[in-house]
Amino acid sequence: SYVLTQPSSVSVAPGQTARIPCGGDNIGIKSVHWYQQKPGQAPVLVVYDDSDRPSGIPERFSGANSDNTATLTISRVEAGDEADYYCQVYDSGSDHRVFGGGTRLTVL
Amino acid sequence: EVQLVESGGGLVKPGGSLRLSCAGSGFSFSRFSMNWVRQAPGKGLEWVSSISGTSIFIYYADSVKGRFTVSRDNADNSLYLQMNSLRAEDTAVYYCARDPADSSQYNWLDTWGQGTRVTVSS
Repeated sequence: SYVLTQPSSVSVAPGQTARIPCGGDNIGIKSVHWYQQKPGQAPVLVVYDDSDRPSGIPERFSGANSDNTATLTISRVEAGDEADYYCQVYDSGSDHRVFGGGTRLTVL
Repeated sequence: EVQLVESGGGLVKPGGSLRLSCAGSGFSFSRFSMNWVRQAPGKGLEWVSSISGTSIFIYYADSVKGRFTVSRDNADNSLYLQMNSLRAEDTAVYYCARDPADSSQYNWLDTWGQGTRVTVSS
């Protein structure tokens, strides 16, 4: 089965840029989606199809995908961005959705 | 407003059964594929099952295949997860989540419920 690998944690100072990687074998040919989950809350979609944003998601959230790594970038990080972030793809070989292990973003 | 509301969680003994429900509102329920995703305490998200709008296509994670059954009632705007032979490792918050369409081409989860907690313990 397809495996997505994320670092367990990323830290960034307020106002700086956070980059959260998601690794997978040739992930660049897949569509990658990203979710934000704050403590005690349900996940929220923040980026879909590699780099598109749902309505209501700030432009500070962006995504890119190439080769073996997809990246969620959060510009001008705010305290309210502190959360767990998960990448997700669709494995067409198994028709399964696959999540990465999640990355906790800490705003210093 | 698009909304998903889960119910049916609770405490169950190992080997027992439980049926979760998810009520959809604010959208044309039958036109969207639906999913169950779970999260064990302190752990990450795990996709559990998907069902297409007309129930033609149904998929399960290997960890639940043969024990869980997903179904839907479009007339009632409801999604279900029948969970049998429950194990301690099935303990989790279970979320229902909607695809943005009824096609695998659109395979992200654009709307989530608040979750229902399932605890499997003796």
